[in-house]
Amino acid sequence: DIVMTQSPDSLAVSLGERATINCKSSQSLLYSSQNKNYLAWYQQKPGQPPKLLIYWASTRESGVPDRFSGSGSGADFTLTISSLQAEDVAVYYCQQCYYAPFTFGQGTRLEIK
Amino acid sequence: EVQLVQSGAEVKKPGESLKITCKGSEHNFLKVWIGWVRQMPGKGPEWMGMIYTGDSETRYSRSFEGQVTISADKSITTAYLQWSSLEASDTAMYYCARRGISGKEAFDIWGQGTMVTISS
Repeated sequence: DIVMTQSPDSLAVSLGERATINCKSSQSLLYSSQNKNYLAWYQQKPGQPPKLLIYWASTRESGVPDRFSGSGSGADFTLTISSLQAEDVAVYYCQQCYYAPFTFGQGTRLEIK
Repeated sequence: EVQLVQSGAEVKKPGESLKITCKGSEHNFLKVWIGWVRQMPGKGPEWMGMIYTGDSETRYSRSFEGQVTISADKSITTAYLQWSSLEASDTAMYYCARRGISGKEAFDIWGQGTMVTISS
């Protein structure tokens, strides 16, 4: 199985500042024939299901604010929130959709400093 | 709007059986992958497996294969997750989610979750 490792486990950022979450996979998630990385990012707030933010490592899901961006390729990926808002407090997960089982990272808890 | 609506919370005893449901709301439920995800209290999501509603092809995580059964009835746009003999360690929230269409490799639509509590 592909192992997904996120860092840090928790993060405290001031309102309006940048938040950066990293995700590393145990093998490349680049589907070379399509030149796409099969890596997704989700946001989960208490009592809610995960919400898709980013797919193909860098494509924002419809309706997701543009302060959320994804980058990276191969086995190293980053989710960036450019200017933290209060409503962004949540746990963030990466997930590989390259090869079943579609494993998740352990999560990064984002709080306000 | 595509939605997935799951059945309500369950409280069961060890050794009992259980089947929870995930109902799609549109005709395009018929040819999509529906996945199931476990989230134990205070933990991250774990991908359990998925089913293609077009022909009922299933894929399981090795961690869950043989422990649960994923099925679907496309005539009523419903997917199922079932256990034949529950254990206390099955206590968790269970989500169904649709794998994206048109090549979108992610799970884009999620059910609200079904809380399963196993207690003697």
